[in-house]
Order: sequence, then structure tokens, then C-alpha cells
Amino acid sequence: QKEVEQNSGPLSVPEGAIASLNCTYSDRGSQSFFWYRQYSGKSPELIMSIYSNGDKEDGRFTAQLNKASQYVSLLIRDSQPSDSATYLCAVNPLEGFKTIFGAGTRLFVKA
Amino acid sequence: DTEVTQTPKHLVMGMTNKKSLKCEQHMGHRAMYWYKQKAKKPPELMFVYSYEKLSINESVPSRFSPECPNSSLLNLHLHALQPEDSALYLCASSQDLRDDEKLFFGSGTQLSVL
Repeated sequence: QKEVEQNSGPLSVPEGAIASLNCTYSDRGSQSFFWYRQYSGKSPELIMSIYSNGDKEDGRFTAQLNKASQYVSLLIRDSQPSDSATYLCAVNPLEGFKTIFGAGTRLFVKA
Repeated sequence: DTEVTQTPKHLVMGMTNKKSLKCEQHMGHRAMYWYKQKAKKPPELMFVYSYEKLSINESVPSRFSPECPNSSLLNLHLHALQPEDSALYLCASSQDLRDDEKLFFGSGTQLSVL
């Protein structure tokens, strides 16, 4: 059973701080990794994708991938109350074309 | 146009009703998906269509019947549902059915089965 694990939270950070969200996955052959943001009652929205080891930055977001440790993370700098949402880690395993989602981490940014 | 449009946004149906969920995209994407999401749970894959052909059926009960009339449209026909089928039903599309494809989600249909 291929799995994607996330801490469900809630993770609470003050406005302006760095929020760090973590994810581990079980399929060592996985090649594609994604972070989706989902506001309450809304659909998931892709915010970051990463395919190779290291860091990838996009504005206030940085995705980090360590395939040896089977670990993906998302850093949100200068966190804003509007960042309060559930963040879903998603992994595409080597076999098949089925993106597997983690259960999500709820982030709460306090103003 | 980077939208995936789903209708209706909300649906309440009885266990003997027949209803359909509709999804449309005009991004030229060739893969379309149905996901089911319960509250505080991750989306669960139900069906995948690639080039209008059913590629993946995740052992979904036959009371859910997908249909892909053309490359832009995806339907989910519902019949004799159970209360436990109440959930948010999400349609998504991607450029193609490759392992690095990013998913674009519609806003979902919140389904309640009474």
C-alpha cells in the first residue's frame, strides 16, 4: 500500500513567521511531488511541484525534496492569515498514474 | 481559460433518485478525473479518463457510473446512492496521463444523500 503521511495539525504560527509543513512517502520510486492548498469548503489548488532533490522557490513558498529520506516539505515565509488552509502533500508513484494524497495539515496563521 | 467547471455546486438527493454531476474544461486537457472527498480526509480517486476512454476504475460501486461524451466533458451518473456516499465530489483534469501531470480541480459538488 503506497502511503503519504502528514501531521494533521493544526499548525499555528503568528503572522509574519515561517510555517514549515512536512510530508513523508512510502514508495521509494516516486518521481513527482506536489503541494496543494485547500480552503475550507473549496477545491484543492496546486501551489508547488518539485521533481528533483533540493529546494524550489516560488515567491513566499519553498518546496524541499529529499528522495533518500523520502521526505518533502513546504516552507511558507512571511505567513499571512490568508494562508490559513489545509495543505495537501501529493505524490505520483513510479507505477501507474494515480496521484496519492496525504490527509493534509491544517495551518492557522494568527493575526 | 484555466477553469474546470462543475455543476451543480450542491445536490441533495434521496436514495431512490437518479442524478448526474457534470464537469467541463476547455484547456485542451486529455485526462479527466473524478475524486471523492469526505470532510477532513484527502481526495480519493474514483475514475480516470484518458483520451475519452476509461483508464482507471478504483473499484467504485456500480451505483456510480462515469461517462465522457467528448474531450471537454465528464459526467458522473448517480443512482440508488447510500447516505455514506454523501461527500464532496471533485472533478479534475490534467494535460495528459503522465506521472508528472499537475491536476486542475473544479470547485466540486457537495452531495448529500438522505
